[in-house]
Amino acid sequence: DAGVIQSPRHEVTEMGQEVTLRCKPISGHNSLFWYRQTMMRGLELLIYFNNNVPIDDSGMPEDRFSAKMPNASFSTLKIQPSEPRDSAVYFCASSLERAGPSSYNEQFFGPGTRLTVL
Amino acid sequence: QQPVQSPQAVILREGEDAVINCSSSKALYSVHWYRQKHGEAPVFLMILLKGGEQKGHEKISASFNEKKQQSSLYLTASQLSYSGTYFCGTVNQAGTALIFGKGTTLSVSS
Repeated sequence: DAGVIQSPRHEVTEMGQEVTLRCKPISGHNSLFWYRQTMMRGLELLIYFNNNVPIDDSGMPEDRFSAKMPNASFSTLKIQPSEPRDSAVYFCASSLERAGPSSYNEQFFGPGTRLTVL
Repeated sequence: QQPVQSPQAVILREGEDAVINCSSSKALYSVHWYRQKHGEAPVFLMILLKGGEQKGHEKISASFNEKKQQSSLYLTASQLSYSGTYFCGTVNQAGTALIFGKGTTLSVSS
């Protein structure tokens, strides 16, 4: 079975450029999460979708970050303009939540996108 | 809101035991444990629910003390494959998503 798919796996860009990260969740899952991982801050939740609707975006750092989930099988995280401090590994995870928008079930993580902003 | 994990790092030899703790300043309804190997994605270990129910599929045990608002992960007779960073996660105040601790790095050598 295919797990969570993320692309690209590595991205190197220059400050000021737009960056788009992509995620395909596991088929049948109704919840999708975007995380950012750095040595300093650990694993931070950026945004959470349930049934394609953003439920909690309180972790999105600032207006430069935006996320969409146009359908159940695709989500994007966009950074515009990018800055060196955005350098991190970005993970997408999905899960099947049976009791509404809560986090009581196993999350399956994608392989991550390593972003480097020069 | 972020749970606090201790210790930050553990170094073991094969066959030794380790305990990783996770505590929160707010009431806990569930605690999740994940392990991340270097350069890989986090992988689910188990969930502990309020009321004592435990879900998981690895030979690693854990406890959940609701009154003390803490959970402990027990790794007994450690194997080389146990090496990695262990994260606990607790549900945020809105009840909508997980907040992860900073992690505990476990190194097992032969």
